[in-house]
Amino acid sequence: DAKTTQPNSMESNEEEPVHLPCNHSTISGTDYIHWYRQLPSQGPEYVIHGLTSNVNNRMASLAIAEDRKSSTLILHRATLRDAAVYYCILRDVGGSNYKLTFGKGTLLTVNP
Amino acid sequence: SAVISQKPSRDICQRGTSLTIQCQVDSQVTMMFWYRQQPGQSLTLIATANQGSEATYESGFVIDKFPISRPNLTFSTLTVSNMSPEDSSIYLCSVEYGRMNTEAFFGQGTRLTVV
Repeated sequence: DAKTTQPNSMESNEEEPVHLPCNHSTISGTDYIHWYRQLPSQGPEYVIHGLTSNVNNRMASLAIAEDRKSSTLILHRATLRDAAVYYCILRDVGGSNYKLTFGKGTLLTVNP
Repeated sequence: SAVISQKPSRDICQRGTSLTIQCQVDSQVTMMFWYRQQPGQSLTLIATANQGSEATYESGFVIDKFPISRPNLTFSTLTVSNMSPEDSSIYLCSVEYGRMNTEAFFGQGTRLTVV
């Protein structure tokens, strides 16, 4: 299975941008990059996903390196509600690697 | 989106007993999954619940310990059998509308403590 590497933890201040990195050097051509987050005492929730191009939605932006071996989830203005564990997951929905395999993720702390 | 109701939300059980967790979705979904999240750990996939057939279990999980039912496209149950304290975890149900769909939806989880 393709693996991802994320920092164990990161810290940010409220209303500042946050850049959460993810390395996936063994990514295959059909792997999509997915991000989920898990707020305290809740199930994970989908944040964003992409294949090659940068992506934006109402929650975040996803910047994907040209060689696709790394990506960055960008929260433009962190709020206290964004404190969560963020998971970067590779997923090939059309192939054998379609299952969501959660790593340890990055614990984001947001300071007021 | 999908609204997922898991019951019970939490329980404390005696070792050696069994607990059945229910997952109800507000719409028909193609795929349903069960995950375990041990204390302080990430999520681990237990099995894929297949409608009308036996569940597909991941390595390390067996049907005798975690029997799963999925009688229709909106409902599934996971039973944790012959429980021991090592089974104390959060159990989560997840659904997707199709294999090519991009987003998985998760229930709030069932927090199980075995004493």
